[in-house]
Amino acid sequence: QQQVRQSPQSLTVWEGETAILNCSYEDSTFDYFPWYHQFPGESPALLIAIRPVSNKKEDGRFTIFFNKREKKFSLHIADSQPGDSATYFCAASGGSNYNVLYFGSGTKLTVEP
Amino acid sequence: AQTIHQWPVAEIKAVGSPLSLGCTIKGKSSPNLYWYWQATGGTLQQLFYSITVGQVESVVQLNLSASRPKDDQFILSTEKLLLSHSGFYLCAWSLWGGGAETLYFGSGTRLTVL
Repeated sequence: QQQVRQSPQSLTVWEGETAILNCSYEDSTFDYFPWYHQFPGESPALLIAIRPVSNKKEDGRFTIFFNKREKKFSLHIADSQPGDSATYFCAASGGSNYNVLYFGSGTKLTVEP
Repeated sequence: AQTIHQWPVAEIKAVGSPLSLGCTIKGKSSPNLYWYWQATGGTLQQLFYSITVGQVESVVQLNLSASRPKDDQFILSTEKLLLSHSGFYLCAWSLWGGGAETLYFGSGTRLTVL
């Protein structure tokens, strides 16, 4: 059973627009939700993360919105830049095992100038 | 500063041959260590984790095994490779006690099985 679902698979936005990436999860005991980004040929790196005590987390142009009732969370990238073009992975952990991090399938974001 | 080194950078192996991939973390004592597998263009699948020397937990069964012979070393291996083992193998570490929260990934090993 896929623990974390992510959409869309790919997304193209124009420079300056807001990109919205979506995820949902199965296990209601998950309590940590990070987003990682991966540039071509590189390893993933943590971008931003949220815990369910809050429904919003901001870091510069990056914002996570969290809906515990619907078990959904999203990443909004404001004022998108060509340098933001990468694959973004949402993830979730917690519950019975904090040492397992489940990743979504990834969204390939392209920001056109 | 912490550094994580994976070896080799890339491997081309035949089906049925053995494999050993390695990972070393410097500058951090008693880290949690992880192995992830990523198919080309795919998601990240956690394979194993270890929170202490000599103890390794399996997350998924892919005919692979892992060992932690030293505090700073994590090894991934198999005696017989399958075509399905091709992909990108990533070692990662996190702070002891912090679970799989902030993961710091190595540069990875790209494996091609023919």
